[in-house]
Amino acid sequence: QVQLQESGPGLVRPSETLSLTCKVSGASISPYYWTWIRQAPGKGLEWIGYVYHNGDTKYNLSLKSRLTMSVDTSKNDFSLKLTSTTAADTAVYYCARGSGNFVSWGQGTLVTVSS
Amino acid sequence: DIQMTQSPSSLSASVGDRVTITCRATQSISNFVNWYQQKPGKAPKLLIYYASTLQTGVPSRFSGSGSGTHFTLTISSLQPDDFATYYCQQSYSSPPITFGQGTRLDMK
Repeated sequence: QVQLQESGPGLVRPSETLSLTCKVSGASISPYYWTWIRQAPGKGLEWIGYVYHNGDTKYNLSLKSRLTMSVDTSKNDFSLKLTSTTAADTAVYYCARGSGNFVSWGQGTLVTVSS
Repeated sequence: DIQMTQSPSSLSASVGDRVTITCRATQSISNFVNWYQQKPGKAPKLLIYYASTLQTGVPSRFSGSGSGTHFTLTISSLQPDDFATYYCQQSYSSPPITFGQGTRLDMK
């Protein structure tokens, strides 16, 4: 059974880069799509984008200019980097497997953007 | 972008009630709709995919229907474990995948 675990700093200063990694266990990174979704406090779900096992990506156009996703097959994990952060990027960030529907999710990690 | 609008935004019901949540898309999306249940502090859980297919392990009191622009999630007989927030999501057009704003279901 696949398990996903997000990791990264819980606090990011405004204008700095938010970096998260999702470690995959119980399954290989290949040949799947891997997605990031976030949820601002008390708000709904926002799709951030996905990365394919070969490195191909699709991003939410509203975040595309600040966003980079990558995959590391040797470590069996994938990552998200979001630059030029503001308070609006404060959210619980989830990683999930898939590109259309999402059966397997990480537990989520809260990232607060604040000075 | 395809917008997904859920109604109602919140709903109070009692154990044993039949509950229906509606989701409308701003354009036809065939049957590319999924439904999730989320409890506080937890990741969403997939209930229904392709509008009407029950995810493995999900109780049969949950059902989904619809195609085109109008979709429904029905809980036939509400159980105590069902009080949660429910989201619809379209996967017809990406980017971006989009979610409804959520329907909070609480106990009357």
